[in-house]
Amino acid sequence: GESVGLHLPTLSVQEGDNSIINCAYSNSASDYFIWYKQESGKGPQFIIDIRSNMDKRQGQRVTVLLNKTVKHLSLQIAATQPGDSAVYFCAENQAGTALIFGKGTTLSVSS
Amino acid sequence: DTAVSQTPKYLVTQMGNDKSIKCEQNLGHDTMYWYKQDSKKFLKIMFSYNNKELIINETVPNRFSPKSPDKAHLNLHINSLELGDSAVYFCASSQTRGRTEAFFGQGTRLTVV
Repeated sequence: GESVGLHLPTLSVQEGDNSIINCAYSNSASDYFIWYKQESGKGPQFIIDIRSNMDKRQGQRVTVLLNKTVKHLSLQIAATQPGDSAVYFCAENQAGTALIFGKGTTLSVSS
Repeated sequence: DTAVSQTPKYLVTQMGNDKSIKCEQNLGHDTMYWYKQDSKKFLKIMFSYNNKELIINETVPNRFSPKSPDKAHLNLHINSLELGDSAVYFCASSQTRGRTEAFFGQGTRLTVV
């Protein structure tokens, strides 16, 4: 079936840099998207979400961009910190279904 | 208070055994899920229950049987465990079906030897 995927399995950045994590989704019927952060030994934690009627949503140090034309989702993290090191997942959802996850990008932040 | 709690956190067992993983949520959510995370970190939906009713049952061997005694609990029973069942299993819950975030438990690392 269709699923969400991520472009890069790993991303390494320096502390203080901005990070951009990308995700491509294939199901044009998906209307809700989430970014999750998973630290080692823990369950995924919600970062930010966006509905398909929006192009951009901002949180604290994070921004999610949605481009429905090319079915692309990105997570931008400003001033990346060592505590941001984790695996990041995008997930998509259609009405009445469960979240479908992409493969994850491991973000490594060096100081 | 832990929102979604699952037990045990670690489970090591031999092939052929039967085991259960328990999950409870205290968020008052209607929908609960089981996900399987493999060694490459890929998270795959297994089951979803809404108000104790099974609504999603992905292609999972029938050795896996979820049970929801009430809205706050969704347990996972696995019969005749196989080596390939080794993974981290996550329970999650959401307020409703679809278009809302899911809250995850801390995971159960199952190792079949």
